[in-house]
Amino acid sequence: EPEVTQTPSHQVTQMGQEVILRCVPISNHLYFYWYRQILGQKVEFLVSFYNNEISEKSEIFDDQFSVERPDGSNFTLKIRSTKLEDSAMYFCASLWMSGNTIYFGEGSWLTVV
Amino acid sequence: GQQLNQSPQSMFIQEGEDVSMNCTSSSIFNTWLWYKQDPGEGPVLLIALYKAGELTSNGRLTAQFGITRKDSFLNISASIPSDVGIYFCAGQLEMEYGNKLVFGAGTILRVKS
Repeated sequence: EPEVTQTPSHQVTQMGQEVILRCVPISNHLYFYWYRQILGQKVEFLVSFYNNEISEKSEIFDDQFSVERPDGSNFTLKIRSTKLEDSAMYFCASLWMSGNTIYFGEGSWLTVV
Repeated sequence: GQQLNQSPQSMFIQEGEDVSMNCTSSSIFNTWLWYKQDPGEGPVLLIALYKAGELTSNGRLTAQFGITRKDSFLNISASIPSDVGIYFCAGQLEMEYGNKLVFGAGTILRVKS
């Protein structure tokens, strides 16, 4: 079964460093998402991306965050200058078309120290 | 914004017992989804409900989408140790730019064998 793949699975970074989380969505999907889950809390929406642009972003997704789909297969989330509170599991997700099911990757666990 | 209230927060039950959890919202959703999350992994879709009043089963799992489209329950019958995990409800809205998922806070399920 096709799946959303994410790398790295774990990353530890120093506060203030830039981090790039990578995702390969399911190949024929058109809509892409990043969600975040702080340890012990619920999954929160960060951003949605369609037609090579951001379609919606949450309050969490401030100027320190950016997304890119550089080559038609990867979908990346960049955190420019990480803060301690950015420590969380980051999930990429993709969707074929509106009304269908969103599929999640297994997550990238980011620890900022 | 849309919010889901999920209860109970956690359950500690005996193997073989039935489990019931539910979600309510003040918002109407097009689709209601139930996910299970194992530690360190991404949410995995268990059941999707598309029509108001729909009752759907998947093995030992049964879920219903409320008539008002504002609530849902999930039942697990005859629980087994591998049912342990966090169960999330999610309401899905179909937007112009794709779907938007709003998650409940999760129900932590522990099973005593």
